Amino acid sequence: GAGVSQSPSNKVTEKGKDVELRCDPISGHTALYWYRQRLGQGLEFLIYFQGNSAPDKSGLPSDRFSAERTGESVSTLTIQRTQQEDSAVYLCASSPGTGDGTEAFFGQGTRLTVV
Amino acid sequence: DAKTTQPNSMESNEEEPVHLPCNHSTISGTDYIHWYRQLPSQGPEYVIHGLTSNVNNRMASLAIAEDRKSSTLILHRATLRDAAVYYCILKNFGNEKLTFGTGTRLTIIP
Repeated sequence: GAGVSQSPSNKVTEKGKDVELRCDPISGHTALYWYRQRLGQGLEFLIYFQGNSAPDKSGLPSDRFSAERTGESVSTLTIQRTQQEDSAVYLCASSPGTGDGTEAFFGQGTRLTVV
Repeated sequence: DAKTTQPNSMESNEEEPVHLPCNHSTISGTDYIHWYRQLPSQGPEYVIHGLTSNVNNRMASLAIAEDRKSSTLILHRATLRDAAVYYCILKNFGNEKLTFGTGTRLTIIP
């Protein structure tokens, strides 16, 4: 498809396990974003990539969270030793990244439940 | 990051115009004003953006104050499908960071 694709769409994991969330951005989009949205809450910025570099990692909640991007394409968000407070929808977005105010396109998210 | 202030919630009648305000008194000259909305159980979607002049597209209009310290998103004829949380965001030219605030929850009354 032509949109931002995230996988899996749903993930249930046991507390203490590691999880990997994947984002396939729109082809050619250089900017890629990760957000977390807890139930009934707003979007919490986690990290964004310009190409394969992450100029701003300030939103990552703890050192259990990490993200990488390769080939200016696919990105993975990894959460180690998951905790119940990590339960949320994780949203990915991409944009052309031309700096002139172009729009970002969002995926449908990965719903993570830690039990 | 420059901040925006929006009312927590608003209500409007179906088929009436809706004016959603946003204050951004610390906006810089290179900040674009973006609006996104998030329908229930969906990811956010882009609505409109502008820099200085008023903007129109098929979804909405954006009215920007002359001093750029505030803006208003205008939905010309609200439908039930417009019920969503609307986010006003400042995005700096050359910096791709996009930070969402708490937004305005718009309820449409049939």
